[in-house]
Order: sequence, then C-alpha cells, then structure tokens
Amino acid sequence: GAGVSQSPRYKVAKRGQDVALRCDPISGHVSLFWYQQALGQGPEFLTYFQNEAQLDKSGLPSDRFFAERPEGSVSTLKIQRTQQEDSAVYLCASSFRQGGQPQHFGDGTRLSIL
Amino acid sequence: SQQGEEDPQALSIQEGENATMNCSYKTSINNLQWYRQNSGRGLVHLILIRSNEREKHSGRLRVTLDTSKKSSSLLITASRAADTASYFCASFQGAQKLVFGQGTRLTINP
Repeated sequence: GAGVSQSPRYKVAKRGQDVALRCDPISGHVSLFWYQQALGQGPEFLTYFQNEAQLDKSGLPSDRFFAERPEGSVSTLKIQRTQQEDSAVYLCASSFRQGGQPQHFGDGTRLSIL
Repeated sequence: SQQGEEDPQALSIQEGENATMNCSYKTSINNLQWYRQNSGRGLVHLILIRSNEREKHSGRLRVTLDTSKKSSSLLITASRAADTASYFCASFQGAQKLVFGQGTRLTINP
C-alpha cells in the first residue's frame, strides 16, 4: 500500500490479557517508530528500529511492552498482562532513512483495556 | 516527557480568518516540525524549518522560528473547514527520537 498500515484499528481487551499490534510501514522505509498517544495529548515516543535492529527502546513504559521487527519490514508491538493505564492510541510511523526525515504515520490502533 | 508546549490549547475561529498557533520548546534543536492530526487519524507532516531559518512558507502555511526564544509559530491563512484538526510541533531529541508538544485543537466554524 501507499501508506503506513496498522491493524487492528480498534482493540478491546480485559485487564491481564496479552495484545499484539501490527504495523506495516511504507515499503523501503528503513526507520520505524512506535508512539503512545493518550487522549488529548501529543504522541509519546516508545521505541525505534533501523531495519531489524531496535536502536532505542527508552520510551517503553515497562518490561510488559515488547516490540520486534524481525525482517526489517513489518513490526509488532506486544503488551503483556495489560493494565487499564495501557489504554491509548498506539501509532506507528516510518521514514525513508535516518537522520531527521519527516515521519509518515499510520492511523493507529485504539486500545481499550476493561 | 514532552519537549514543546503549544499555545493556545484550543482555538475556534470563523472560516476565512487566519489561525495562529505557538510552540515553545526546551532544548536546542536542529529543526522543528509541524504535524496535523485529524480526529481518529494519524499525524501528517506539514512543514519542517531548520534552526538556521527564520521563516518558511508552504501554500497557506507560514512557520516562523526564533531560536533565541526557543519558540515557533504556525500561521494558517484563509482558514477552511477542512483545516479543523489538532496541530503539533515536534523536535528531535538525539538523532531519531521525535518529541511532540501537547497540541492545539483548531476548530474552523463555517
């Protein structure tokens, strides 16, 4: 596709369940980013990949959050033992190369933890 | 942590008027970017201004940057209903970590 694709668009889970969120970046984009956006706030950085290498995971809130990009294209953000404070929109973005290039965002996954 | 703070948090104007949003940031930057987010959608990159630039134009958008005051402004001229969205400034911490402000929610009334 032409843009960044995220699935599912909406996810409802019970507290304690594990969830997996998928991101398909723009083909050929080297850099991939995950952000968490709380209601009424700006996106907050979670983690960054350059190809398959996770170069920065400083924004992951806890060890319940795990991201991977094994073949340097599709990425998955996994949240284990979800808690209510994990409810947010999770945005994925990609850019063609590193070094300050504008990022292209998907429409996000809205996660609700009951 | 958020790098920038937008002002105002919300702005409502009539179609055809100009809209001005301001952003203040905390640390030194190489460039500053503005993004738009329509409700329920992802962010769309609007414009990037480098630290050695003072003003930049793109269509109906005008961005200014004052590095001495660590502030930037986004002006949208001749606003349209389709400009209704949230607007965020963002800058890099390090090479890759993009840090956003809290955003300005702009409403254009027909």
